[in-house]
Amino acid sequence: SQQGEEDPQALSIQEGENATMNCSYKTSINNLQWYRQNSGRGLVHLILIRSNEREKHSGRLRVTLDTSKKSSSLLITASRAADTASYFCATDANTGGFKTIFGAGTRLFVKA
Amino acid sequence: DTGVSQNPRHKITKRGQNVTFRCDPISEHNRLYWYRQTLGQGPEFLTYFQNEAQLEKSRLLSDRFSAERPKGSFSTLEIQRTEQGDSAMYLCASSRRDGLLLDEQFFGPGTRLTVL
Repeated sequence: SQQGEEDPQALSIQEGENATMNCSYKTSINNLQWYRQNSGRGLVHLILIRSNEREKHSGRLRVTLDTSKKSSSLLITASRAADTASYFCATDANTGGFKTIFGAGTRLFVKA
Repeated sequence: DTGVSQNPRHKITKRGQNVTFRCDPISEHNRLYWYRQTLGQGPEFLTYFQNEAQLEKSRLLSDRFSAERPKGSFSTLEIQRTEQGDSAMYLCASSRRDGLLLDEQFFGPGTRLTVL
């Protein structure tokens, strides 16, 4: 099974509201990343957080990492219609290799 | 455009045929990844290259799949004797770190394969 699992599977909010997505994983990691994928377009890297970091910010994005609970959250503040996309967390398997494991994603719909 | 490029963007083939996809990574990137993505799912790791060396390959990859990166620049992914279950988006990504940790990957637009 995949390492990362996002929750919720789908989220619908009004423009201006905040959106929170969660990711859980099973084994220890070196880092965790969040990616965005718009309909019909490629994946775009949003933010990377290392296992020794607890929180990271980038513009309207805030990511937290709790290694004791093996979970991460992505918060998008003041959402815009353009934020409508699928959001994926991705982890390395911390097995000494370079396999990146993506979850099934959260589909975010921001209504204007 | 200095991003990751993939060709072709779309491929329709009949079951049993062989197909080959190409990926051109960002020029200074030494790491290259192939993934497969089906509708409603996240990308599924297939294989990884560091320069020309294929360092990791998913156990999900059957013997019908093979990937090469002969000069450490572009890469090809070949699927032999295609099956309808191979229908998916095939994504290529590249990154540039030399350290042991994974880092930001830059994705191409993908090649959508349809096997009839």
